[in-house]
Amino acid sequence: NAGVTQTPKFRVLKTGQSMTLLCAQDMNHEYMYWYRQDPGMGLRLIHYSVGEGTTAKGEVPDGYNVSRLKKQNFLLGLESAAPSQTSVYFCASARQHPNTEAFFGQGTRLTVV
Amino acid sequence: DAKTTQPNSMESNEEEPVHLPCNHSTISGTDYIHWYRQLPSQGPEYVIHGLTSNVNNRMASLAIAEDRKSSTLILHRATLRDAAVYYCILRSNFGNEKLTFGTGTRLTIIP
Repeated sequence: NAGVTQTPKFRVLKTGQSMTLLCAQDMNHEYMYWYRQDPGMGLRLIHYSVGEGTTAKGEVPDGYNVSRLKKQNFLLGLESAAPSQTSVYFCASARQHPNTEAFFGQGTRLTVV
Repeated sequence: DAKTTQPNSMESNEEEPVHLPCNHSTISGTDYIHWYRQLPSQGPEYVIHGLTSNVNNRMASLAIAEDRKSSTLILHRATLRDAAVYYCILRSNFGNEKLTFGTGTRLTIIP
C-alpha cells in the first residue's frame, strides 16, 4: 500500500498564480485533512472532510478551497497565491473511529514569490 | 475542542528513558489520547494511542492518569533517531471530527 501520497512534492509559484495540491489515499479512509506548517511551528488545520462530497473549515481556511469528489482524493486549491501562503502542506487521512491512527503524507513544500 | 498542553522542549541523554508529559484537563469520556512525532523534514507519524488503560507497543509506552487529565509518553531507551517534535492530541467522534495539533514538545537527544 502507498498510504497517503501528496503531489507535487515541491512547487514555486508567482504571486497571483493558482494551483491545486493533490492528496491521495488507498486505505479507504473516511476522513481526510489538509494542514500547513510554517517554519518552527506546529500544524494548523486548513480544511477537512468526513466523507466523499463533504468539506469543512478548519483553523486557517482563508485563501484556500477544497474538494472531495472521490473518497480517495482530497484536493487543496489556491486560487490566487500570496507570499503568506509559503509553507509546507501536509495531508492526512484516518478512519472514522477515534480508536484508529491517522496517516500523513510526506508534505508539499510551496514557495510563493 | 478539548485542548492539550505540552512543554515546548525537553532534553534527554542517549540510552536514557524519556518521559514526555501532556495535560488534557478538559478531556471528555469519548476522547482517545494519541501521540504522533515528526522527524526533521518529514510528515508526522503515529506513535501510540489509548483511552483509559496504559498501552505498550514496539515504539513506546503510554501512561494515562486515573482521572485521564494527563498522560505521559515513555521512550524506554532514547536514541538519536528519537529526536523529533512529539505531539499529544485528542481524537473524538460524536460530531467533533477535527484533528488539531498544538505546538508539541521538541525532544533533543544528547549523545
